Amino acid sequence: DGGITQSPKYLFRKEGQNVTLSCEQNLNHDAMYWYRQDPGQGLRLIYYSQIVNDFQKGDIAEGYSVSREKKESFPLTVTSAQKNPTAFYLCASSIWGPSYEQYFGPGTRLTVT
Amino acid sequence: SQQGEEDPQALSIQEGENATMNCSYKTSINNLQWYRQNSGRGLVHLILIRSNEREKHSGRLRVTLDTSKKSSSLLITASRAADTASYFCATGDDYKLSFGAGTTVTVRA
Repeated sequence: DGGITQSPKYLFRKEGQNVTLSCEQNLNHDAMYWYRQDPGQGLRLIYYSQIVNDFQKGDIAEGYSVSREKKESFPLTVTSAQKNPTAFYLCASSIWGPSYEQYFGPGTRLTVT
Repeated sequence: SQQGEEDPQALSIQEGENATMNCSYKTSINNLQWYRQNSGRGLVHLILIRSNEREKHSGRLRVTLDTSKKSSSLLITASRAADTASYFCATGDDYKLSFGAGTTVTVRA
């Protein structure tokens, strides 16, 4: 059963703590992406990776970090440097190229208090 | 950067009616895609239209693209309660997608 999974669905953290969000795909896609969505808004790109061991900053990378050690996995760490970390985080994957659809995971809702 | 802008922001229709939403963008594109998001869930790809295409159909969905006006429209015909969701346009150019803020569609029974 092919797809993209994110865990956990809900995450609660205290301010000042780093937290890592998981994203795994078994679609054999080269490209993976992390987006942030705030209420009533569209998606903003945090980081993306077109191949293992390589990743690029998106539009709002400050306060976030990623790794891409395996093709299937693209974890996102929200660091304490991120000023407003409470948001809905979405991971996606696709064939690398300018004309391919992206497949999204179910998302992780992070609340930092 | 958020290139696409959907209009209207919200739409409420009766079941069976058609729903039309528009997307405008600023720079040249390779393709334009429409996605649906049910509340609290991930996005689901609906349809992709390339810059050299003018119209595309998929089931009850009809998408048009006017590159001279830098705009696209999504029409959902004979709407159902299950169509209640947010709809996003996304423009693809340099191997990434830029999403608009979305149109929230509510279909009343």
